[in-house]
Amino acid sequence: EVQLVESGGGLVQPGGSLRLSCAASGFSFSSYTMNWVRQAPGKGLEWVSYISSSSTTKYYTDSVKGRFTISRDNAKNSLYLQMNSLRAEDTAVYHCARDLREWGYYYMDVWGKGTTVTVPS
Amino acid sequence: QSVLTQPPSASGTPGQRVTISCSGSSSNIGSNTVNWYQQLPGAAPKLLIYSNNQRPSGVPDRFSGSKSGTSASLAISGLQSEDEADYYCSAWDDSLNWVFGGGTKLTVL
Repeated sequence: EVQLVESGGGLVQPGGSLRLSCAASGFSFSSYTMNWVRQAPGKGLEWVSYISSSSTTKYYTDSVKGRFTISRDNAKNSLYLQMNSLRAEDTAVYHCARDLREWGYYYMDVWGKGTTVTVPS
Repeated sequence: QSVLTQPPSASGTPGQRVTISCSGSSSNIGSNTVNWYQQLPGAAPKLLIYSNNQRPSGVPDRFSGSKSGTSASLAISGLQSEDEADYYCSAWDDSLNWVFGGGTKLTVL
């Protein structure tokens, strides 16, 4: 079964750091690009970051540039998000999602249930 | 403020057909394909439609998608109570990022 399981969320004070992990199983992780997408309480989905299969290409949404770093370890089938200088507005459920790009079609086809990050104001 | 624009709510009675619109721009919907996600309460988003009008295996054919220019729409026919959920449109933007709509809460009356 294709599965993504996030971990590492928690309560952290403003200015603090947290490292999220996403464990992949049931597919060839090293062949896929991956994303982090977050959802603030009662709000919609917001894309956070993207990483290519070989880690050569990384993209970030403007609000996290310089604070968050996406990485992966293909040998461990794992995706990471290092979050520094956390702010109250970073409070959200963070999902990892598999990214498919084929024949000019782009979509995220598998999502994890998410891990919750809370930064009090 | 989401990059893609969706109505915040939609509703219908069982058996009805409802549509949800999604408006974008030339850099996202206008030049890339549109995807739709269904999010049931307390659950992870689930891919419902990809590449404008394709259904992943297991998604009922009651769900259909279309795209024209910089707009897209999701149609749900034969509405069922279990369709009550939040629906999000999404597309890749040429500025190298994924964009989403703000989400539409579908209520089955």
